[in-house]
Amino acid sequence: GAGVSQSPSNKVTEKGKDVELRCDPISGHTALYWYRQRLGQGLEFLIYFQGNSAPDKSGLPSDRFSAERTGESVSTLTIQRTQQEDSAVYLCASSWKGRAGGELFFGEGSRLTVL
Amino acid sequence: GDSVTQMEGPVTLSEEAFLTINCTYTATGYPSLFWYVQYPGEGLQLLLKATKADDKGSNKGFEATYRKETTSFHLEKGSVQVSDSAVYFCALSPPGGGSQGNLIFGKGTKLSVKP
Repeated sequence: GAGVSQSPSNKVTEKGKDVELRCDPISGHTALYWYRQRLGQGLEFLIYFQGNSAPDKSGLPSDRFSAERTGESVSTLTIQRTQQEDSAVYLCASSWKGRAGGELFFGEGSRLTVL
Repeated sequence: GDSVTQMEGPVTLSEEAFLTINCTYTATGYPSLFWYVQYPGEGLQLLLKATKADDKGSNKGFEATYRKETTSFHLEKGSVQVSDSAVYFCALSPPGGGSQGNLIFGKGTKLSVKP
């Protein structure tokens, strides 16, 4: 597609359930990022993929969070045993190269609500 | 660590009013600086950027000047329109792109422009 695509756009789940969020980056973009945006807060870096290099997972808040990326294509962010504090908008972005002196292209986000 | 601080919102203005959204940063060396905008129902998109001191980024009537001496990158527009209603994010990229290649964002400032 023309832009970064994320699904689902909205997800409501019960506490303790697992959720998967999907990101389809712009074709040809080697770098992919996941951010979290809590209500009234800025964007919180979660994880960064660059080509075939090992991902930088330094922003993941706990071991309940994990992410995978298939080559330079789709990425999935998984949250296990969800908690209410996981409620947020999860944003995916991609770019031509890892050095963020360039522009990031964002998806519209996946809004997660944990009841 | 590196950080971005921007003025709290929401900001409400009448059409044709002058806009300033303040942004200051903390970083070692010379980061690149960005303003991203998020229109209702859309993903974040790059508005403008500046990569070195005294550079002025401009787009769609918005301007921001990279001020090393005051560590600031304030966003300005001389005459806002209703269509400028959005959330504006200031961001920095550490020199060389940083170890993660990610951007560091402020919390965002919501702008509402009334006709």
